[in-house]
Amino acid sequence: DSGVTQTPKHLITATGQRVTLRCSPRSGDLSVYWYQQSLDQGLQFLIQYYNGEERAKGNILERFSAQQFPDLHSELNLSSLELGDSALYFCASSPEDRGNTYEQYFGPGTRLTVT
Amino acid sequence: GIQVEQSPPDLILQEGANSTLRCNFSDSVNNLQWFHQNPWGQLINLFYIPSGTKQNGRLSATTVATERYSLLYISSSQTTDSGVYFCAVEKTSYDKVIFGPGTSLSVIP
Repeated sequence: DSGVTQTPKHLITATGQRVTLRCSPRSGDLSVYWYQQSLDQGLQFLIQYYNGEERAKGNILERFSAQQFPDLHSELNLSSLELGDSALYFCASSPEDRGNTYEQYFGPGTRLTVT
Repeated sequence: GIQVEQSPPDLILQEGANSTLRCNFSDSVNNLQWFHQNPWGQLINLFYIPSGTKQNGRLSATTVATERYSLLYISSSQTTDSGVYFCAVEKTSYDKVIFGPGTSLSVIP
């Protein structure tokens, strides 16, 4: 158990809908990362938050947004869902020292199926 | 951006055999990690190794940062080692995380 929790584990929804994925980092970790893993794209970095602020942005679609709350949990919002958004979504957290982040610990993932 | 390559893409081993997995990256990096994704999809942190050598039981890793590669050694492989091994790099803590395509390992009894 990495200490990172994600809910829900599975989500099935229809095209055009909106969903919210939730992540709680390990105790004390200030950084949260979101990733998408699909069969054809591999593991893709979406976005990183550090202590509530966006720090790095990857291949995140405009239909997707994220935020990190004062209690450090994070949510990834996916809207206007398409079939191609079906994937495993991972959250990871990382400890930091003087602004530098180190090893990442991954949650169990949320499997999203868009029908 | 940084390109990350992993080799070999697929590997089949007899239980008890040793193997070396390689990760090449195209630019200097501050962070490098190795992960194992087991057949149930869980991503497990193996090593945080931006440089130097580390060992953990039957696994060890070496990163030669000046030559832009990292190696993961698996000795006396077991069926539970099966899965996909990824390396991931960051140029700095403010940059995108780039994952390699992975090496798919199957250990057969």
